[in-house]
Amino acid sequence: SQQGEEDPQALSIQEGENATMNCSYKTSINNLQWYRQNSGRGLVHLILIRSNEREKHSGRLRVTLDTSKKSSSLLITASRAADTASYFCATVMNTGFQKLVFGTGTRLLVSP
Amino acid sequence: DAGVTQSPTHLIKTRGQQVTLRCSPKSGHDTVSWYQQALGQGPQFIFQYYEEEERQRGNFPDRFSGHQFPNYSSELNVNALLLGDSALYLCASSLATGGSEKLFFGSGTQLSVL
Repeated sequence: SQQGEEDPQALSIQEGENATMNCSYKTSINNLQWYRQNSGRGLVHLILIRSNEREKHSGRLRVTLDTSKKSSSLLITASRAADTASYFCATVMNTGFQKLVFGTGTRLLVSP
Repeated sequence: DAGVTQSPTHLIKTRGQQVTLRCSPKSGHDTVSWYQQALGQGPQFIFQYYEEEERQRGNFPDRFSGHQFPNYSSELNVNALLLGDSALYLCASSLATGGSEKLFFGSGTQLSVL
């Protein structure tokens, strides 16, 4: 079963705009990761945030984590058409086992 | 440096048949995990192999089995295929030690059961 939900399910924006995706989960976690998937193929790791961190940056990506609300958000700034993909959050409950529990995903469409 | 490779890319089977999917992990990785992704859904964890043994298993029936070889490559076997087994099967590799917890995914095998 899925760990939680992502919101929105789909997002359509113009190039240059920012895109924000939200993820909620159900259980205590060790870390939360965001992955990107193009056209239903393999997933690519974007960023990892640990349960004792509140915010993390990587290039145009900014991730926040609120463990009290069991939620995370992914912000992509200055989006490009190449950012069009599905984005998934995934939680890890126990470090050492690297078992990911994925959310339902957000489909992002960035129009030129 | 080769990433995670999976074969075949696509596969069509009929109900009741058996299928074997293959995965070679990223060079240097020793742990292989398998995920099933139904259309429009997030991937779901099937099982994980480390040191040639199944270390963890998700909520999948015994029809799903696997194997890991001494060179760390892995196979996923599904017996008595059902229509509902149609999905993208993803292999992911990682290193059990060293502190990095991100997974590297292959491009997947698209299985269609008719």
